[in-house]
Amino acid sequence: DAGVIQSPRHEVTEMGQEVTLRCKPISGHNSLFWYRQTMMRGLELLIYFNNNVPIDDSGMPEDRFSAKMPNASFSTLKIQPSEPRDSAVYFCASSLSPSTSGYTFGSGTRLTVV
Amino acid sequence: EDQVTQSPEALRLQEGESSSLNCSYTVSGLRGLFWYRQDPGKGPEFLFTLYSAGEEKEKERLKATLTKKESFLHITAPKPEDSATYLCALAGFQKLVFGTGTRLLVSP
Repeated sequence: DAGVIQSPRHEVTEMGQEVTLRCKPISGHNSLFWYRQTMMRGLELLIYFNNNVPIDDSGMPEDRFSAKMPNASFSTLKIQPSEPRDSAVYFCASSLSPSTSGYTFGSGTRLTVV
Repeated sequence: EDQVTQSPEALRLQEGESSSLNCSYTVSGLRGLFWYRQDPGKGPEFLFTLYSAGEEKEKERLKATLTKKESFLHITAPKPEDSATYLCALAGFQKLVFGTGTRLLVSP
Protein backbone atom coordinates (compact mmCIF):
# COMPACT_ATOMS: atom_id res chain seq x y z
CA ASP A 1 0.00 0.00 0.00
CA ALA A 2 1.23 3.51 -0.80
CA GLY A 3 0.16 4.80 2.59
CA VAL A 4 -1.94 7.89 3.21
CA ILE A 5 -1.61 10.24 0.26
CA GLN A 6 -2.09 13.97 0.62
CA SER A 7 -2.07 16.67 -2.02
CA PRO A 8 -0.75 19.18 -2.63
CA ARG A 9 2.47 18.99 -0.58
CA HIS A 10 2.78 22.75 -0.55
CA GLU A 11 0.20 25.45 -1.14
CA VAL A 12 0.75 29.20 -1.19
CA THR A 13 -2.33 31.32 -1.59
CA GLU A 14 -3.48 34.86 -1.06
CA MET A 15 -5.71 35.87 1.79
CA GLY A 16 -9.36 35.49 0.88
CA GLN A 17 -8.85 32.68 -1.60
CA GLU A 18 -10.39 29.24 -1.28
CA VAL A 19 -8.04 26.39 -0.45
CA THR A 20 -8.82 22.68 -0.85
CA LEU A 21 -6.62 19.99 0.66
CA ARG A 22 -7.03 16.38 -0.40
CA CYS A 23 -6.46 13.03 1.24
CA LYS A 24 -6.59 9.41 0.13
CA PRO A 25 -6.58 7.07 3.14
CA ILE A 26 -5.17 3.56 3.28
CA SER A 27 -7.54 1.09 1.66
CA GLY A 28 -9.56 -0.72 4.30
CA HIS A 29 -9.12 1.90 6.99
CA ASN A 30 -12.51 3.11 8.18
CA SER A 31 -11.43 6.12 10.26
CA LEU A 32 -9.98 9.32 8.84
CA PHE A 33 -8.60 12.28 10.76
CA TRP A 34 -7.60 15.83 9.82
CA TYR A 35 -5.00 17.52 12.02
CA ARG A 36 -3.35 20.93 11.95
CA GLN A 37 0.18 21.36 13.28
CA THR A 38 1.86 24.59 14.34
CA MET A 39 4.87 25.31 16.49
CA MET A 40 2.73 27.07 19.08
CA ARG A 41 -0.11 24.55 19.42
CA GLY A 42 1.32 21.26 18.21
CA LEU A 43 -1.05 18.76 16.62
CA GLU A 44 -4.69 19.80 16.83
CA LEU A 45 -7.49 17.48 15.78
CA LEU A 46 -9.84 19.31 13.45
CA ILE A 47 -12.35 16.63 12.50
CA TYR A 48 -12.63 12.90 12.15
CA PHE A 49 -14.78 10.53 10.17
CA ASN A 50 -15.80 6.95 10.82
CA ASN A 51 -17.17 4.98 7.88
CA ASN A 52 -17.32 8.26 5.91
CA VAL A 53 -19.55 9.94 8.53
CA PRO A 54 -18.25 12.98 10.44
CA ILE A 55 -18.14 12.03 14.12
CA ASP A 56 -16.55 15.01 15.83
CA ASP A 57 -15.91 18.38 14.22
CA SER A 58 -15.48 20.31 17.46
CA GLY A 59 -11.89 21.11 16.52
CA MET A 60 -12.82 22.95 13.36
CA PRO A 61 -11.82 26.49 14.26
CA GLU A 62 -14.46 28.44 12.34
CA ASP A 63 -17.19 28.15 9.77
CA ARG A 64 -14.56 28.97 7.17
CA PHE A 65 -13.38 25.38 7.56
CA SER A 66 -15.33 22.47 6.13
CA ALA A 67 -14.52 18.83 5.45
CA LYS A 68 -16.15 16.11 3.40
CA MET A 69 -15.66 12.42 2.84
CA PRO A 70 -17.82 11.45 -0.14
CA ASN A 71 -16.48 7.88 -0.19
CA ALA A 72 -14.10 5.57 1.63
CA SER A 73 -11.11 6.55 -0.51
CA PHE A 74 -11.23 10.34 -0.56
CA SER A 75 -11.59 13.31 1.77
CA THR A 76 -11.21 17.06 1.40
CA LEU A 77 -10.60 19.89 3.83
CA LYS A 78 -11.65 23.28 2.51
CA ILE A 79 -10.89 26.73 3.86
CA GLN A 80 -12.94 29.58 2.44
CA PRO A 81 -11.93 32.36 2.73
CA SER A 82 -8.37 31.69 3.84
CA GLU A 83 -6.55 33.94 6.31
CA PRO A 84 -2.84 34.28 7.21
CA ARG A 85 -3.45 32.65 10.61
CA ASP A 86 -4.50 29.48 8.79
CA SER A 87 -0.87 28.98 7.76
CA ALA A 88 0.21 25.60 9.15
CA VAL A 89 0.92 22.02 8.16
CA TYR A 90 -2.26 20.01 7.70
CA PHE A 91 -2.07 16.27 8.19
CA CYS A 92 -4.48 13.56 7.24
CA ALA A 93 -4.33 10.22 9.03
CA SER A 94 -6.27 7.00 8.72
CA SER A 95 -6.78 3.98 10.93
CA LEU A 96 -8.60 0.67 11.18
CA SER A 97 -8.78 0.80 14.98
CA PRO A 98 -7.39 4.01 16.51
CA SER A 99 -7.36 2.80 20.10
CA THR A 100 -5.38 -0.32 19.35
CA SER A 101 -3.38 0.31 16.19
CA GLY A 102 -3.00 4.07 16.21
CA TYR A 103 -2.90 6.10 13.04
CA THR A 104 -0.95 6.17 9.81
CA PHE A 105 -0.21 9.75 8.82
CA GLY A 106 0.26 11.28 5.41
CA SER A 107 3.19 13.55 4.63
CA GLY A 108 1.13 16.68 5.17
CA THR A 109 0.27 19.82 3.22
CA ARG A 110 2.21 22.94 4.15
CA LEU A 111 -0.20 25.85 3.70
CA THR A 112 1.01 29.43 3.53
CA VAL A 113 -1.55 32.21 3.29
CA VAL A 114 -0.06 35.59 2.40
CA GLU B 1 -10.76 15.30 30.16
CA ASP B 2 -7.86 13.19 28.88
CA GLN B 3 -4.58 15.12 28.96
CA VAL B 4 -1.01 14.48 27.87
CA THR B 5 2.02 16.54 28.89
CA GLN B 6 5.50 15.95 27.50
CA SER B 7 8.82 17.09 28.90
CA PRO B 8 11.27 18.47 28.20
CA GLU B 9 10.20 20.54 25.22
CA ALA B 10 13.66 20.22 23.73
CA LEU B 11 16.68 18.08 24.55
CA ARG B 12 20.19 18.27 23.21
CA LEU B 13 22.47 15.24 23.64
CA GLN B 14 25.92 14.27 22.57
CA GLU B 15 26.20 11.08 20.57
CA GLY B 16 26.29 8.18 23.03
CA GLU B 17 24.76 10.18 25.90
CA SER B 18 21.71 8.23 27.11
CA SER B 19 18.60 10.01 28.39
CA SER B 20 14.83 9.75 28.82
CA LEU B 21 11.81 11.64 27.55
CA ASN B 22 8.73 11.92 29.74
CA CYS B 23 5.03 11.73 28.92
CA SER B 24 2.65 12.36 31.83
CA TYR B 25 -1.03 11.66 31.39
CA THR B 26 -4.40 11.80 33.05
CA VAL B 27 -7.16 9.57 31.72
CA SER B 28 -10.34 8.03 33.02
CA GLY B 29 -9.54 4.64 31.54
CA LEU B 30 -6.34 3.90 29.65
CA ARG B 31 -6.95 2.24 26.30
CA GLY B 32 -3.40 2.67 25.06
CA LEU B 33 -0.44 5.03 24.98
CA PHE B 34 1.38 5.58 21.70
CA TRP B 35 4.82 6.92 20.82
CA TYR B 36 5.51 8.47 17.44
CA ARG B 37 8.62 9.90 15.81
CA GLN B 38 8.35 12.90 13.51
CA ASP B 39 11.12 14.03 11.18
CA PRO B 40 11.10 17.55 9.68
CA GLY B 41 8.73 17.83 6.74
CA LYS B 42 7.12 14.47 7.39
CA GLY B 43 4.13 13.05 9.18
CA PRO B 44 4.49 11.30 12.54
CA GLU B 45 5.62 7.68 12.27
CA PHE B 46 4.42 5.02 14.69
CA LEU B 47 6.96 3.58 17.16
CA PHE B 48 5.23 1.80 20.06
CA THR B 49 1.93 1.09 21.75
CA LEU B 50 1.72 0.35 25.50
CA TYR B 51 -1.48 -0.85 27.13
CA SER B 52 -0.86 -1.55 30.81
CA ALA B 53 1.37 -0.38 33.66
CA GLY B 54 4.63 -2.28 33.76
CA GLU B 55 4.69 -2.94 30.04
CA GLU B 56 7.91 -2.27 28.13
CA LYS B 57 8.73 -2.30 24.42
CA GLU B 58 12.05 -1.93 22.65
CA LYS B 59 13.22 -1.03 19.18
CA GLU B 60 16.92 -0.58 18.48
CA ARG B 61 18.14 2.16 20.85
CA LEU B 62 14.65 3.05 22.07
CA LYS B 63 12.73 1.56 24.97
CA ALA B 64 9.28 2.69 26.07
CA THR B 65 7.92 2.03 29.55
CA LEU B 66 4.57 2.72 31.17
CA THR B 67 3.33 3.40 34.70
CA LYS B 68 -0.14 4.42 35.86
CA LYS B 69 0.72 8.10 35.49
CA GLU B 70 3.48 8.41 32.92
CA SER B 71 5.46 6.86 30.14
CA PHE B 72 9.15 7.17 29.43
CA LEU B 73 11.00 6.86 26.17
CA HIS B 74 14.55 5.83 27.02
CA ILE B 75 17.22 6.45 24.41
CA THR B 76 20.39 4.45 24.90
CA ALA B 77 23.63 5.60 23.25
CA PRO B 78 21.82 7.82 20.76
CA LYS B 79 23.14 8.57 17.30
CA PRO B 80 22.64 11.73 15.20
CA GLU B 81 20.00 9.90 13.14
CA ASP B 82 17.84 9.68 16.27
CA SER B 83 17.33 13.45 16.06
CA ALA B 84 13.61 14.08 15.62
CA THR B 85 10.51 15.18 17.49
CA TYR B 86 9.02 12.44 19.65
CA LEU B 87 5.29 12.57 20.30
CA CYS B 88 3.23 10.59 22.75
CA ALA B 89 -0.51 10.15 22.37
CA LEU B 90 -3.29 8.82 24.54
CA ALA B 91 -5.92 6.58 23.02
CA GLY B 92 -9.38 7.93 23.66
CA PHE B 93 -12.62 6.69 22.20
CA GLN B 94 -12.04 6.49 18.45
CA LYS B 95 -9.20 9.04 18.47
CA LEU B 96 -5.76 9.89 19.85
CA VAL B 97 -4.90 12.90 22.03
CA PHE B 98 -1.35 14.09 21.31
CA GLY B 99 1.20 15.82 23.48
CA THR B 100 3.19 18.73 22.09
CA GLY B 101 6.32 16.64 21.66
CA THR B 102 9.99 16.68 22.64
CA ARG B 103 12.47 17.92 20.04
CA LEU B 104 15.60 15.81 20.33
CA LEU B 105 18.90 16.86 18.79
CA VAL B 106 21.85 14.47 18.95
CA SER B 107 25.19 15.99 18.07
CA PRO B 108 28.11 13.92 16.75
